[in-house]
Amino acid sequence: AQTVTQSQPEMSVQEAETVTLSCTYDTSESNYYLFWYKQPPSRQMILVIRQEAYKQQNATENRFSVNFQKAAKSFSLKISDSQLGDTAMYFCAADTGTASKLTFGTGTRLQVTL
Amino acid sequence: KAGVTQTPRYLIKTRGQQVTLSCSPISGHRSVSWYQQTPGQGLQFLFEYFSETQRNKGNFPGRFSGRQFSNSRSEMNVSTLELGDSALYLCASSLDRVGGYGYTFGSGTRLTVV
Repeated sequence: AQTVTQSQPEMSVQEAETVTLSCTYDTSESNYYLFWYKQPPSRQMILVIRQEAYKQQNATENRFSVNFQKAAKSFSLKISDSQLGDTAMYFCAADTGTASKLTFGTGTRLQVTL
Repeated sequence: KAGVTQTPRYLIKTRGQQVTLSCSPISGHRSVSWYQQTPGQGLQFLFEYFSETQRNKGNFPGRFSGRQFSNSRSEMNVSTLELGDSALYLCASSLDRVGGYGYTFGSGTRLTVV
């Protein structure tokens, strides 16, 4: 079984600033994938970024990047140049390489303010 | 390219009734999975279908069932509804049953049981 832990229920950041959301996970699988999803008030879960565990290089998607520390089982999300549209719930999730089943963390509510 | 379509968006049912929710995946996606989202339990995996076969199932009672059709469209059914079944039900589709490709979610069906 795998678990995903997000220890920050809520965070706030000013527009144009940088914020980091934390996530730790635990899995016995050697092959797995990690994701960050964003859920705005519209409810739709949107994929922000994905990381393949066997890749050392941290994934980056425009203003979004991750700090993947495999030994520490840590997978944090950094949002640079925060925008008002980034306001949402952010979920960290893990998936093994053998089954299409996401395990989610409890989420971090991010508020971007002026 | 059309996204994942879930119908209906909102549903109100009475305790003891049954309900069927529908999900149409992205064209070409053969894996469809279902999740229940509640404030108390967070996001929990219900089941996953690939090519009309249930490949993975979460820890939910037998009242929760699903199926997938030859065109990859999926339905989930909940019988003998309980108040605790009130939740946002999210459907996600993926290119393959092997995890890692990332999942595209629909906007969900908000089920309220009264």
